[in-house]
Amino acid sequence: DAKTTQPTSMDCAEGRAANLPCNHSTISGNEYVYWYRQIHSQGPQYIIHGLKNNETNEMASLIITEDRKSSTLILPHATLRDTAVYYCIVEETSGSRLTFGEGTQLTVNP
Amino acid sequence: GAVVSQHPSWVICKSGTSVKIECRSLDFQATTMFWYRQFPKQSLMLMATSNEGSKATYEQGVEKDKFLINHASLTLSTLTVTSAHPEDSSFYICSASTLTGELFFGEGSRLTVL
Repeated sequence: DAKTTQPTSMDCAEGRAANLPCNHSTISGNEYVYWYRQIHSQGPQYIIHGLKNNETNEMASLIITEDRKSSTLILPHATLRDTAVYYCIVEETSGSRLTFGEGTQLTVNP
Repeated sequence: GAVVSQHPSWVICKSGTSVKIECRSLDFQATTMFWYRQFPKQSLMLMATSNEGSKATYEQGVEKDKFLINHASLTLSTLTVTSAHPEDSSFYICSASTLTGELFFGEGSRLTVL
């Protein structure tokens, strides 16, 4: 059973914010929300993770709803190099086996 | 940041031969390594989990005798695809977990079996 649901694809204009949603309505109290991305023909790259508080780092911001049933990854100023498949994963710890869903193909257009 | 390196990055082999793919953690000790397979336009599928010094744990449906995994040291895990066939052509990706639970992925190895 899929733990997360993401849109199949999204488009964004270069320089604008990209907001990628993820539903995880069955998330349990000790599960984190992780975001990875995969640029074509490369290994996945860690972006950010959070438990219940919003998080921000140099790459992105993660907004988690109060009930933790959904989250949004925000790339504040998307560039062409941000074109990739973005995976939202819920898991107890990052060092454990991660189950990848289908992800969202984000295409940043010039 | 921590680096995980895979070798080779791509390999072409004849049907029936065996191919070994290496996964190395370059600047940290990896207690656990994971092997994934990814077919074109599909997501990553976990194949197995390997812990240093012990037998790998394979996911359901993955043949352990066909995909041999060895994790002989804290910095190296190898995946050997035995008697490879065209249907084994895929993108193989490893990840390594640090002692503090952080996870890093390799760049992937593309296998093409003719």
